[in-house]
Amino acid sequence: NAGVTQTPKFRILKIGQSMTLQCTQDMNHNYMYWYRQDPGMGLKLIYYSVGAGITDKGEVPNGYNVSRSTTEDFPLRLELAAPSQTSVYFCASSKLSNTGELFFGEGSRLTVL
Amino acid sequence: ELKVEQNPLFLSMQEGKNYTIYCNYSTTSDRLYWYRQDPGKSLESLFVLLSNGAVKQEGRLMASLDTKARLSTLHITAAVHDLSATYFCAANREDSNYQLIWGAGTKLIIKP
Repeated sequence: NAGVTQTPKFRILKIGQSMTLQCTQDMNHNYMYWYRQDPGMGLKLIYYSVGAGITDKGEVPNGYNVSRSTTEDFPLRLELAAPSQTSVYFCASSKLSNTGELFFGEGSRLTVL
Repeated sequence: ELKVEQNPLFLSMQEGKNYTIYCNYSTTSDRLYWYRQDPGKSLESLFVLLSNGAVKQEGRLMASLDTKARLSTLHITAAVHDLSATYFCAANREDSNYQLIWGAGTKLIIKP
């Protein structure tokens, strides 16, 4: 059972470049999330989705975009990368239930130079 | 605005000792989560606490929730080296089921 799969695991970008972080889950979860984790900090929510075709902003959405065309996939797009976007990015999913327990991918470490 | 604070942020302890990590949150919340993260790894769910007085235990870890005090605790009993990790708590925003607010994490080092 693969769970939540993220790619790439590591990436170095130059300032101003763009890229997409891929996330897919095979648990048929309705809810999907993108978080960033900065050193010594808790997670900050970037965007989330409650189902295919529905997305919404989290705490720190500026500089990012998402789409959700299928239940399985939730890519995160970085436009015009900036050094402030250097972070570890985690994709997570959860099913429609009252616990809301999140299942995380392995993370993608992004460095913007 | 919901804020979540953990303390301590760093804890070094000897094997066999007991200790407690505290998680305070600033406004009402109806769900409290504990996660574990090993260095360079993903986050693993430990406990979900849904109601006042909830207590859950798994091995040497026990979590509890006091919604009136807005406090959750993660108690470690007779610590072993394998429990070394960073532990995070998170609470959900009542105005949004989908948004968790996370503490900064407690880095726990257990020395043999």
